[in-house]
Amino acid sequence: DGGITQSPKYLFRKEGQNVTLSCEQNLNHDAMYWYRQDPGQGLRLIYYSQIVNDFQKGDIAEGYSVSREKKESFPLTVTSAQKNPTAFYLCASSIGTSGYYNEQFFGPGTRLTVL
Amino acid sequence: GDSVTQMEGPVTLSEEAFLTINCTYTATGYPSLFWYVQYPGEGLQLLLKATKADDKGSNKGFEATYRKETTSFHLEKGSVQVSDSAVYFCALSDHGNRDDKIIFGKGTRLHILP
Repeated sequence: DGGITQSPKYLFRKEGQNVTLSCEQNLNHDAMYWYRQDPGQGLRLIYYSQIVNDFQKGDIAEGYSVSREKKESFPLTVTSAQKNPTAFYLCASSIGTSGYYNEQFFGPGTRLTVL
Repeated sequence: GDSVTQMEGPVTLSEEAFLTINCTYTATGYPSLFWYVQYPGEGLQLLLKATKADDKGSNKGFEATYRKETTSFHLEKGSVQVSDSAVYFCALSDHGNRDDKIIFGKGTRLHILP
C-alpha cells in the first residue's frame, strides 16, 4: 500500500532536548511538507520541500530544522530554540509542480509533548 | 494573497439533519479547491475536490460545487450521521503559484448528536 508513515505516534521529551520526527512516503511524490496543529486550531506550515536537497521555510520555521537527502524522507527536528514545541505535527506529500491538481496526502501525525 | 475563509464552529446537528459548511476563497490564479476531513487524533484525509468552475466534487454523500462567480465551495450533505463528527477543512491550490503550497481554512468542527 502506498502512503505516508510518521513515527512515533506519541513522543515525550524533556525541555531543552532536540527531537527528530520521522516522515516517510512511498508515493514517489516530489513535494513534502511539515505542519503544526495546536488544539482547536488550523494548520500552520513549518517547512516544505519541492525537490531532493532543497527546502523552504514556511510560516513558522523558527526553532525547527529539516533535511531532504532522499525523495522518500523528510525528517523534522524540533530544536531547543522552539519556545512552545508541544503540538500535533503532520507530514504531507504531493506530486508537486509536475502534477496539475496538487492535492496533498497526509500522514497520521505525531503528538509531541515536552515535559 | 490567496486565502480561504470558512464558517467558524463548532456546528452541532442532530443525526439525519442537512449540513452546510460555508467556504469562500480569494485567489490570484486558477485554483483547485478541496475539502479535507480530520477525525480525532488522526491526519487529514481528502474528502472531495474540484478543479475548475462549475465542477462538483462528491464523496461519501458529501458534495461541493466550485462557484467562480461567488468564489465559494460550500460543503453539503443531505443526512448526516454520528460518524461524520470531525473537523472539516476547506483548502485551495493556486496553479498560478509554483510553490506547491495549499492554503487551508481554519477548520470547522462538526458534532452530530444521536
